[in-house]
Amino acid sequence: EAEVAQSPRYKITEKSQAVAFWCDPISGHATLYWYRQILGQGPELLVQFQDESVVDDSQLPKDRFSAERLKGVDSTLKIQPAELGDSAMYLCASSFNGGTEAFFGQGTRLTVV
Amino acid sequence: QKEVEQNSGPLSVPEGAIASLNCTYSDRVSQSFFWYRQYSGKSPELIMSIYSNGDKEDGRFTAQLNKASQYVSLLIRDSQPSDSATYLCAVNGAAQKLVFGQGTRLTINP
Repeated sequence: EAEVAQSPRYKITEKSQAVAFWCDPISGHATLYWYRQILGQGPELLVQFQDESVVDDSQLPKDRFSAERLKGVDSTLKIQPAELGDSAMYLCASSFNGGTEAFFGQGTRLTVV
Repeated sequence: QKEVEQNSGPLSVPEGAIASLNCTYSDRVSQSFFWYRQYSGKSPELIMSIYSNGDKEDGRFTAQLNKASQYVSLLIRDSQPSDSATYLCAVNGAAQKLVFGQGTRLTINP
């Protein structure tokens, strides 16, 4: 069964360090989403790609966060420097195209200490 | 006004009863609507999608869409303890941006 792959599953990092998350979408899915979910809240869209192009990154804190999907397949989300408030679940999802069903990976639980 | 709004709950329903979850959205051009289930510590799992006005049934789940009222709902019939989870409403609006509500926490009481 096709799945969205994410790594790592868990990450503990110290404040001011750099951290990176990786996502490999379901094969053939053109749209890739990165979300941040704080405990007790709904997922917040950080960035949405259509192939290698950014469709929306209006909620991405661009002073410290960056995202890329260079070949339109897998994607990396980076935080530098990490802050205590970045502790959350980072979720990647993909869909065949924008507007169709999106499927999530298992997520990365980030703890900043 | 939030783009997608849900009652955060918690919603408590006896086993075997019907659970009713509601969602409203602000963007009138929205075309695609989804319900996800999320267990504690896990990622969201897609359970229903609906694209046109009316009802869509899948097993014990029924999604209802009213675009004129900008309202989406999810009914769970014959609720089971395993249905206890947070239910997330998601809407594709302008530029196909997929936006989630804050989720409704549902507890099914045996």
